[in-house]
Amino acid sequence: SQKIEQNSEALNIQEGKTATLTCNYTNYSPAYLQWYRQDPGRGPVFLLLIRENEKEKRKERLKVTFDTTLKQSLFHITASQPADSATYLCALLNTGGFKTIFGAGTRLFVKA
Amino acid sequence: DTAVSQTPKYLVTQMGNDKSIKCEQNLGHDTMYWYKQDSKKFLKIMFSYNNKELIINETVPNRFSPKSPDKAHLNLHINSLELGDSAVYFCASSQVGTGGVGSYEQYFGPGTRLTVT
Repeated sequence: SQKIEQNSEALNIQEGKTATLTCNYTNYSPAYLQWYRQDPGRGPVFLLLIRENEKEKRKERLKVTFDTTLKQSLFHITASQPADSATYLCALLNTGGFKTIFGAGTRLFVKA
Repeated sequence: DTAVSQTPKYLVTQMGNDKSIKCEQNLGHDTMYWYKQDSKKFLKIMFSYNNKELIINETVPNRFSPKSPDKAHLNLHINSLELGDSAVYFCASSQVGTGGVGSYEQYFGPGTRLTVT
């Protein structure tokens, strides 16, 4: 069955460092991969989308890589800030974009 | 203006009751979704609707019946509520388009916390 794993439940880093979150998947060939941020008590907020034929995408301090051979995506937040503390969700979309499978998320804590 | 709104925000009810959750989006998107987020925070898709038509039904019990009266609304009716239905339910919308031209960004509502006692 389709499975998504995000590297760890929680990640603690110091302010100013780069946070790297990992998303691995099996038994799936997604057309798109997305990253979302979720704060407690709120709905997820879209951050970045990368297509299966793209290797890397950047947006301000965020960078996503997508390796369809390794079936892995890495999500980087450079110059991290305490305000970046949240849960980050990896999501895979099928061709057509109607079905999204979410990972369990990684809780990021950025310490000042 | 709220892009995706849901009502109610909280819903506490007893087993066996029937309840509805309403969702509206003002983004002009063609696709709407219902997700369930359980106590372990795992977000799981339940239904996808594109232009009012059901596209995805992820083996959800038939006690759950979605209805899309128009492209801007997707409501969820739940019959005979069970303890295991307790969760946060999120509505979302996106622009899928045709031929791979959609943006696919999903905009989520604030969620409805359903507690069944």
